[in-house]
Amino acid sequence: SQQGEEDPQALSIQEGENATMNCSYKTSINNLQWYRQNSGRGLVHLILIRSNEREKHSGRLRVTLDTSKKSSSLLITASRAADTASYFCATDASGTYKYIFGTGTRLKVLA
Amino acid sequence: GAGVSQSPRYKVAKRGQDVALRCDPISGHVSLFWYQQALGQGPEFLTYFQNEAQLDKSGLPSDRFFAERPEGSVSTLKIQRTQQEDSAVYLCASSLSTWGYTFGSGTRLTVV
Repeated sequence: SQQGEEDPQALSIQEGENATMNCSYKTSINNLQWYRQNSGRGLVHLILIRSNEREKHSGRLRVTLDTSKKSSSLLITASRAADTASYFCATDASGTYKYIFGTGTRLKVLA
Repeated sequence: GAGVSQSPRYKVAKRGQDVALRCDPISGHVSLFWYQQALGQGPEFLTYFQNEAQLDKSGLPSDRFFAERPEGSVSTLKIQRTQQEDSAVYLCASSLSTWGYTFGSGTRLTVV
């Protein structure tokens, strides 16, 4: 079963625009990760945010975490065509090693 | 190796056939995970190894699925008597700890 739900399911934007996708989850967590998956490929780890952190940056990526609402957001600024991919959040139930993935957001960046 | 290697990249099996999927993790990575990803869905956990010990197999969908990692490095996921619902991408990931997975490119299994 899926722990997280991403929203929106699909997003289409123009190159240069910002893309925001959201993730909601059900149980308490130690940390939350975001992954990117290009079509037909494996997942690439983007960023990890711990439960005691509220915001984290990595290059053009900004991740926020609100544990009271059990939600996270991923912002990609100044998007590029190469950002076209599916994006997944993954959460660990506190005290376990098992990461549960959401259903993903399919992002399309139009050149 | 530099990354997690999975083979074969694609596998077509006739219904009822047995298949074996291989995962070669990053050298020295203690943790190894198998996930199943159906089309348009997120990956779903199948099983977890710490070295050669299979600590969690709660995600294996039926007793037709079996995974092993006998020497704590290469792992094999075996599916017996494949069914059409087994069609999916099977992803392997390894890690030094229990977070920050490195995923392989997966094996796409199609059961016809």
